[in-house]
Amino acid sequence: DAGVTQSPTHLIKTRGQHVTLRCSPISGHKSVSWYQQVLGQGPQFIFQYYEKEERGRGNFPDRFSARQFPNYSSELNVNALLLGDSALYLCASSLAGLGPREQFFGPGTRLTVL
Amino acid sequence: EDQVTQSPEALRLQEGESSSLNCSYTVSGLRGLFWYRQDPGKGPEFLFTLYSAGEEKEKERLKATLTKKESFLHITAPKPEDSATYLCAVQAGGSNYKLTFGKGTLLTVNP
Repeated sequence: DAGVTQSPTHLIKTRGQHVTLRCSPISGHKSVSWYQQVLGQGPQFIFQYYEKEERGRGNFPDRFSARQFPNYSSELNVNALLLGDSALYLCASSLAGLGPREQFFGPGTRLTVL
Repeated sequence: EDQVTQSPEALRLQEGESSSLNCSYTVSGLRGLFWYRQDPGKGPEFLFTLYSAGEEKEKERLKATLTKKESFLHITAPKPEDSATYLCAVQAGGSNYKLTFGKGTLLTVNP
């Protein structure tokens, strides 16, 4: 079975530009979460979507936005890029429901802002 | 606010030398504690979920345990291929399923 897929793998942008990152969850998973991981740190939660609705938002500015499509794939958009947005962006999918829910991560998109 | 602290930050072992990694946490209503392995430049790979104090899970040379305030990842007779960053994360009760991660422990196993 295919795992979580993300595109593109790498991306180089300049300050002020915007970027769109894409994610396809594991088949049957309806929840998608986005995380930002800077070098030497653990992943930081950005958004969680379930059934196309935002269910959680981390401490990130309004320049960050996301959406989930009817097929449960998701996009993360970042506007007005700053140097500090350079990071590995991770998408994770999970089943939803009661109890703890393991999240399975994709390979990530490495974003470099120059 | 949920917090996760992992120690040590880095650990260097000889092949076959067993050791433990620590994950201390504070969370409002623990739903689950998760261990992941991450290789350089890749996404985290799921290892274990622990739900309640006293629970233990094993997989090959790895064993994870959980108390009310911390979790341990025991590595028995490690091999060089066990070298990676090990991440601990907690999930609190509530309507969203966000994970709060620690900074990780970078494990290096020398042959």
